[in-house]
Amino acid sequence: GAVVSQHPSRVICKSGTSVKIECRSLDFQATTMFWYRQFPKQSLMLMATSNEGSKATYEQGVEKDKFLINHASLTLSTLTVTSAHPEDSSFYICSAQRTRDFYYNEQFFGPGTRLTVL
Amino acid sequence: GENVEQHPSTLSVQEGDSAVIKCTYSDSASNYFPWYKQELGKRPQLIIDIRSNVGEKKDQRIAVTLNKTAKHFSLHITETQPEDSAVYFCAASPSGGSNYKLTFGKGTLLTVNP
Repeated sequence: GAVVSQHPSRVICKSGTSVKIECRSLDFQATTMFWYRQFPKQSLMLMATSNEGSKATYEQGVEKDKFLINHASLTLSTLTVTSAHPEDSSFYICSAQRTRDFYYNEQFFGPGTRLTVL
Repeated sequence: GENVEQHPSTLSVQEGDSAVIKCTYSDSASNYFPWYKQELGKRPQLIIDIRSNVGEKKDQRIAVTLNKTAKHFSLHITETQPEDSAVYFCAASPSGGSNYKLTFGKGTLLTVNP
């Protein structure tokens, strides 16, 4: 159990275009999902918390108008990178939170999306 | 907010030796401490976690210890194998409620030499 998928795995786009990344929890419901960004040889940097049925919560310094998040159902969250530029090139990873009880939540990660903006 | 420090940044051991990675955290409200293993280009995989109501947890060759008073926790891998080579991340968060955030350490690149 606890499988999270992410699509696409790789995407190459031209500067100025928008890219949508999907994150799905396949065998559990996730009211909360998270979006991270990871640069080579660095740790995971939380970008935003995605809550089903409500607006996402963005971390300080992350532009909410550039990184649009939609959590349309209990198994799907999407991240859209709008007007992408080369500096947006990175590895984007989502995670889905599985709740065992009020005090015990686990995060399971998707396989990541490698975005390259030309 | 929470701050997690992780040491060492790189660790090289011989096959069969033990490896220890240490993390400290700053927020006394944190009470959930997972460890993730990430191979190059792959997703982080949860390998073990510990909650603050226990001091130690073991799963085969992997163990985690927690000292809440000192605000530090450690990952212990015994009888290391080449396939243990990866980047390991510790994390901390408060648990409870509808959602929580993980704060990650900067990672430890573990290399197990055959």
